[in-house]
Amino acid sequence: DVKVTQSSRYLVKRTGEKVFLECVQDMDHENMFWYRQDPGLGLRLIYFSYDVKMKEKGDIPEGYSVSREKKERFSLILESASTNQTSMYLCASSPARDTQYFGPGTRLTVL
Amino acid sequence: QKEVEQDPGPLSVPEGAIVSLNCTYSNSAFQYFMWYRQYSRKGPELLMYTYSSGNKEDGRFTAQVDKSSKYISLFIRDSQPSDSATYLCAMRNNDMRFGAGTRLTVKP
Repeated sequence: DVKVTQSSRYLVKRTGEKVFLECVQDMDHENMFWYRQDPGLGLRLIYFSYDVKMKEKGDIPEGYSVSREKKERFSLILESASTNQTSMYLCASSPARDTQYFGPGTRLTVL
Repeated sequence: QKEVEQDPGPLSVPEGAIVSLNCTYSNSAFQYFMWYRQYSRKGPELLMYTYSSGNKEDGRFTAQVDKSSKYISLFIRDSQPSDSATYLCAMRNNDMRFGAGTRLTVKP
């Protein structure tokens, strides 16, 4: 079975803090993705990566950055958290040109 | 117009009912079609995966794709309270696109 894990299920941070969300997959997938999910807006792609040290902007990259130093790990960074970044963050991975498998999600609250 | 349209519901049905969930899309390049199930406060899990037009059945679930109409459906037979979740359609060619999800409640 594909397994995608995320470092935290729930996270509470203060405005202006730097936030790290980590994602690890154990299936040697090439592709990894970060989404945020908000009521009424569905899944929105923040960043994705097709290879180690490679990253591409998704639909809503502003306020976020990513890091992929190892194939199995993809980190999402909020440089200075703001209240409008309160959301459910979902990591996914996929083999090349194949469907995506999701982690359990991190519910982030920024106060 | 969104690339993928999905009625958000909510949809409430009695246990044992047949459920029909649908999505329409505008990009004729989509070749792969998926349905994900997402329980409350959990990540989406892949439920059905089909390529091009036609039907695919897996137990109580049937996925149907009509590329000529740009319309996909998920049917759930003999629905159970454990089917209560949000169902997301997804499709891709090079890029993946998701519907906003339909929230389903199956009442005992």
